[in-house]
Amino acid sequence: QQQVKQSPQSLIVQKGGISIINCAYENTAFDYFPWYQQFPGKGPALLIAIRPDVSEKKEGRFTISFNKSAKQFSLHIMDSQPGDSATYFCAAHAGTASKLTFGTGTRLQVTL
Amino acid sequence: EPEVTQTPSHQVTQMGQEVILRCVPISNHLYFYWYRQILGQKVEFLVSFYNNEISEKSEIFDDQFSVERPDGSNFTLKIRSTKLEDSAMYFCAREAGQANEKLFFGSGTQLSVL
Repeated sequence: QQQVKQSPQSLIVQKGGISIINCAYENTAFDYFPWYQQFPGKGPALLIAIRPDVSEKKEGRFTISFNKSAKQFSLHIMDSQPGDSATYFCAAHAGTASKLTFGTGTRLQVTL
Repeated sequence: EPEVTQTPSHQVTQMGQEVILRCVPISNHLYFYWYRQILGQKVEFLVSFYNNEISEKSEIFDDQFSVERPDGSNFTLKIRSTKLEDSAMYFCAREAGQANEKLFFGSGTQLSVL
């Protein structure tokens, strides 16, 4: 019940295209859903996050869509750039000061 | 973004040896975390540490692991007798945000057990 399922495992998108990564969860106690971006050899960096009281959050080219009834959320990267090539992890968090449960990661490659 | 500095960036050790990984948070917060990431896999929670005590730990965090904040600043993860399967990237993290919901990770320590 603590799992967060993420798909796809890898994704290749052309420059300028839309990258979409999906996650699903079971635990209804989760109340905060961040996305992290990780470059090789670096720590995960917080990209964008959402709480379940809103269905969408947009920051620049990055948008989270959240479907509370389906217990699913997704990351959309508009106008994908080669610099976006990285591994993306969704995660979920229950309450304050508690651990994050990460998805299995999506390796995104944006080609020219 | 609140900084978390980790040392060393790389550590190579022989199986059975003890290692100590260090984390230096910049500001004075009480909640800290250790996570690990085996190469190519997801980030996994190890332990959370609040006000100088363990508040939660995962099944990975067995008796070989311990955490301390010995001088009130540095936050350490000790692996008493390393195994080959301990080879991973270890990340320290601290919380921020109004409800302490945002987690900021250090750049990690790559541990290689030979």
